[in-house]
Amino acid sequence: DAKTTQPTSMDCAEGRAANLPCNHSTISGNEYVYWYRQIHSQGPQYIIHGLKNNETNEMASLIITEDRKSSTLILPHATLRDTAVYYCIVRVAGYNTNAGKSTFGDGTTLTVKP
Amino acid sequence: GAVVSQHPSWVICKSGTSVKIECRSLDFQATTMFWYRQFPKQSLMLMATSNEGSKATYEQGVEKDKFLINHASLTLSTLTVTSAHPEDSSFYICSASVGGVGTDTQYFGPGTRLTVL
Repeated sequence: DAKTTQPTSMDCAEGRAANLPCNHSTISGNEYVYWYRQIHSQGPQYIIHGLKNNETNEMASLIITEDRKSSTLILPHATLRDTAVYYCIVRVAGYNTNAGKSTFGDGTTLTVKP
Repeated sequence: GAVVSQHPSWVICKSGTSVKIECRSLDFQATTMFWYRQFPKQSLMLMATSNEGSKATYEQGVEKDKFLINHASLTLSTLTVTSAHPEDSSFYICSASVGGVGTDTQYFGPGTRLTVL
């Protein structure tokens, strides 16, 4: 799986948009970009994923650059409960023995401040 | 989204004893489950991949005889830490997924905190 690079930490004001970047310059054509977050002492929570098109769901938006070498997770209106470690992962999706196998980097610690 | 449970949530045991952790997919069938370990202030580290009805695949450096994995059904995988020692104290997290092109979202359990005295 491709390696990702994320900033170690970011701050965001409550109610503002949080934009979390991720670099994945060695991503392969069949690898998806997944985002998860982990609130302290809990298991990671799935947020969103995409291949090449921008994606949006009830939690966040995912913007993937045209060359797919980087992406940005956007939390449109951050709340204090969004304080967590956010992980960007690239991996193959599909029917194979490694479906779902994820390699976690260090992630970005997002702190939402009042 | 799909729900994955783990039992127990936390466990304290004496050095030399064995501990079993269960991982269940509650509302879906998981052909593959994964076991991760997380030390304080560190990221998740994949330990092994568990496929229903077959032997688990362990990551390099993970002792298969110490961390026994059984995936007896499509909704249950167990991790047994044998002859536990204090250095095995960690947060153990499982995840489950069903393969599908672009749809195999990985769902994580809430984790089990193991403390070995």
